[in-house]
Amino acid sequence: DIVMTQSPDFLPVSLGERATINCKSSQSVLYTSNSKNYLAWYQHKPGQPPKLLIYWASTRESGVPDRFSGSGSGTDFTLTINSLQAEDVAVYYCQQYKTTPHSFGQGTKLEIK
Amino acid sequence: QVQLQESGPGLVKPSETLSLTCTVSGGSVSSNYWTWIRQSPGKGLEWIGHVYYTGSTNYNPSLKSRVTISVDTSKNQFSLSLNSVTAADSAIYYCARLHNWNYYYYGLNVWGQGTTVTVSS
Repeated sequence: DIVMTQSPDFLPVSLGERATINCKSSQSVLYTSNSKNYLAWYQHKPGQPPKLLIYWASTRESGVPDRFSGSGSGTDFTLTINSLQAEDVAVYYCQQYKTTPHSFGQGTKLEIK
Repeated sequence: QVQLQESGPGLVKPSETLSLTCTVSGGSVSSNYWTWIRQSPGKGLEWIGHVYYTGSTNYNPSLKSRVTISVDTSKNQFSLSLNSVTAADSAIYYCARLHNWNYYYYGLNVWGQGTTVTVSS
């Protein structure tokens, strides 16, 4: 199984500043047939279902603000949130969907400093 | 747009079977992968498994001996069955769609609101 490890677990950031969350997979999630990294990022707020932000490691889902961006390839990935807004407070998860089980990271709780 | 809605008992007795259904509206279950995820209290997201519209399934090895996921194209639904439940199976259960097209996979882009299941006598 592919193990996903996020860092940090908790991230306090001031409003308007940048938040950076890292995700590392125990094996590459690059699907060589189409050169896509099968890595997604989700935002999860209390009382709501998770929301897909980023797929293929760096492609924003339709309707997601452009302050959210993803980068990385192979085994190392980053979610960056520029100019943090109050509504960005949530738990963020990475997930690999290259190989079943489609494992999630343990989550990063983003808070306002 | 496609919407998902979970349904099923909110309380299940230990050792019994948890059964949930996810109804797909605004689209057809006859494409894409249909997934179950859960979140236990105070914990992160756990992928349970998914079913393709053909009926092909993949499960999390940690639950494989107890879980069955099936699809009913005539009702536009898919279902989760988890047997021999314990308190550790108490969680919010979500159904979701793994969007795929032509061998490209896009992530879980549609989710149900989630349903809370408590295992208790």
